[in-house]
Amino acid sequence: RKEVEQDPGPFNVPEGATVAFNCTYSNSASQSFFWYRQDCRKEPKLLMSVYSSGNEDGRFTAQLNRASQYISLLIRDSKLSDSATYLCVVISNTGGFKTIFGAGTRLFVKA
Amino acid sequence: SQTIHQWPATLVQPVGSPLSLECTVEGTSNPNLYWYRQAAGRGLQLLFYSVGIGQISSEVPQNLSASRPQDRQFILSSKKLLLSDSGFYLCAWSGKGKRSFFGQGTRLTVV
Repeated sequence: RKEVEQDPGPFNVPEGATVAFNCTYSNSASQSFFWYRQDCRKEPKLLMSVYSSGNEDGRFTAQLNRASQYISLLIRDSKLSDSATYLCVVISNTGGFKTIFGAGTRLFVKA
Repeated sequence: SQTIHQWPATLVQPVGSPLSLECTVEGTSNPNLYWYRQAAGRGLQLLFYSVGIGQISSEVPQNLSASRPQDRQFILSSKKLLLSDSGFYLCAWSGKGKRSFFGQGTRLTVV
């Protein structure tokens, strides 16, 4: 089993749609969680951190469920510019910090 | 503020030639440093990470090596490139247990 697994995608949605991505992690000692966005042929960039209480940044909402070991990203009112690959990132501390990136979920938002 | 520099942005090399990609970080000390490779349409593959000068951990056996001669310098090398070494190479840094920041990446094509 991979340490971090994401919905494979691609997700093809119309503008204005709401789309949700899930990500599961296997290490219960994981302590920090993030969503990154990667545009085609570019480096990944931080989209938002994920907290147990859930957090929102405009149209984006991230949730963490420690009991079930998954995190989610919800995008409301999708824009064409949201088209990208979304990477789930988990940092665990088991004998040293380790950063694990998910394989990414590709999103296409169409007019 | 911290910045990360990675060069060159693109590189075309013949099979059997050597490789040296350099990454430097400014504005922080004792960072964790990472080299990733991303094949077209695929996720990030961690190649090497370093928690300090001269300390290199390899995640996968391959035709590449890494060195960290200075605290904020990370070098990816190969003595003889293979066609399969083509890809998008990303350098990243992080604080201990903190989120990662990426360089702009090097697109390597081995011909």
